Amino acid sequence: DTGVSQDPRHKITKRGQNVTFRCDPISEHNRLYWYRQTLGQGPEFLTYFQNEAQLEKSRLLSDRFSAERPKGSFSTLEIQRTEQGDSAMYLCASSLGTGGSLTEAFFGQGTRLTVV
Amino acid sequence: AQSVSQHNHHVILSEAASLELGCNYSYGGTVNLFWYVQYPGQHLQLLLKYFSGDPLVKGIKGFEAEFIKSKFSFNLRKPSVQWSDTAEYFCAVNGGLDMRFGAGTRLTVKP
Repeated sequence: DTGVSQDPRHKITKRGQNVTFRCDPISEHNRLYWYRQTLGQGPEFLTYFQNEAQLEKSRLLSDRFSAERPKGSFSTLEIQRTEQGDSAMYLCASSLGTGGSLTEAFFGQGTRLTVV
Repeated sequence: AQSVSQHNHHVILSEAASLELGCNYSYGGTVNLFWYVQYPGQHLQLLLKYFSGDPLVKGIKGFEAEFIKSKFSFNLRKPSVQWSDTAEYFCAVNGGLDMRFGAGTRLTVKP
C-alpha cells in the first residue's frame, strides 16, 4: 500500500453527467499531481499542486475539468459534461518537494472512468 | 517543455535474457530521472531514481539504470530477467516542478 488513496476506484457515468474524484495523498507530502492514463500510454500530466496552490495545468485540462486542493491536503478532480473521450484511468500522485527538487512520486491505485 | 521518449513499445524476452530499455528526454536544465513499473492490475511503483552523483543507479529487483547526460538518456537494464518481471515500464523526468512520463514499454518474459 503506497499510502495515496483514490476514491472511487471505478466510475461509470452517462455522457453529459458530471463526476468528481477524490485523492488523499500521503499526509506529509506537499505536492500533489493528477495524471490521465489511457490504454497503451504513459500517464499524461494534467495538473499539479504545491500545498493548496495549483501551479500548473496542462492544455489537456479543458474548461470542463477543474481541480482543487482547498486545504493543501486532499484534492478533487471534477469533470463536467463528460464525453466518451474522457474514459480513462485518472491517477493521483504525491511527493515531498522543497525548492526545485522533489522526492519520487507515490501513486494511488487510480480511478477508472467509463463514459457510456 | 519536458518530453520523454521510450523507443520500445513491446519487448518480448525469454527468462534469463538480458534487458535494456531505452529512454531519452528533452529538457535543458538539471533533471531528476525515474523508472516506474506497473505490474498487471497494480499501481505504479518506483524501480529506481537518479537525482545526482553516480550516474549508474541501482534499484529494486536487480534493475539498474545509467544516466548519460551527453545523450540525454537514462536506459534501464537487468542482466537476467525473470517471468515475474512481466510488466509495463515507464521512464519519467522531473526537470522543474512537474513530472512527465514516457509512453511506456511493455515487457513480456516467456518462461
